[in-house]
Amino acid sequence: DAGITQSPRHKVTETGTPVTLRCHQTENHRYMYWYRQDPGHGLRLIHYSYGVKDTDKGEVSDGYSVSRSKTEDFLLTLESATSSQTSVYFCAISERRSSNTEAFFGQGTRLTVV
Amino acid sequence: AQSVTQLDSQVPVFEEAPVELRCNYSSSVSVYLFWYVQYPNQGLQLLLKYLSGSTLVESINGFEAEFNKSQTSFHLRKPSVHISDTAEYFCAVSSFGNEKLTFGTGTRLTIIP
Repeated sequence: DAGITQSPRHKVTETGTPVTLRCHQTENHRYMYWYRQDPGHGLRLIHYSYGVKDTDKGEVSDGYSVSRSKTEDFLLTLESATSSQTSVYFCAISERRSSNTEAFFGQGTRLTVV
Repeated sequence: AQSVTQLDSQVPVFEEAPVELRCNYSSSVSVYLFWYVQYPNQGLQLLLKYLSGSTLVESINGFEAEFNKSQTSFHLRKPSVHISDTAEYFCAVSSFGNEKLTFGTGTRLTIIP
């Protein structure tokens, strides 16, 4: 299994509070991604990174920010959590662009905003 | 823009029966196609992929998929399913020059003993 660790694995938080999810990899892969998984929507890309301090938005980036200060860590922050952000969040990594190479996924973080 | 359609949200199949999970895509340029599998309470794993060459691709556990450009499809098939195949299956597409994967909404495969 690819070395990807997501933390925390489960979190319950209150509306309006900030939340940070962490993705840590030991593969030295250049590309890292954050997805959210919701019933009926599959996986949707939130943000991705193509190198240290190089990030870009995905299709559902509103309300989320990311940071990548080291190759191995990619942080996803919800500045002020809302109930619509209740979801399962997956981090993924790939050695090259995911357009033609395999993406490896973490185990997911289940976030509940009450 | 690229998109993926998985019309079947759930597919129940008897054990040892064949199965086909449908996937259609749209893209204005050359595509790369993937099937990922998600077992209960786990992340996604790559099942198989089409990048170029032979239009029929196979996985190590008996699944296969065929890229059909004229029908813009990449259906997943298995001639005989097992209980262990119970999972959710996601079709995904990316395009030449686009580093983003676009996923379908998933098909939950349930095997009936």
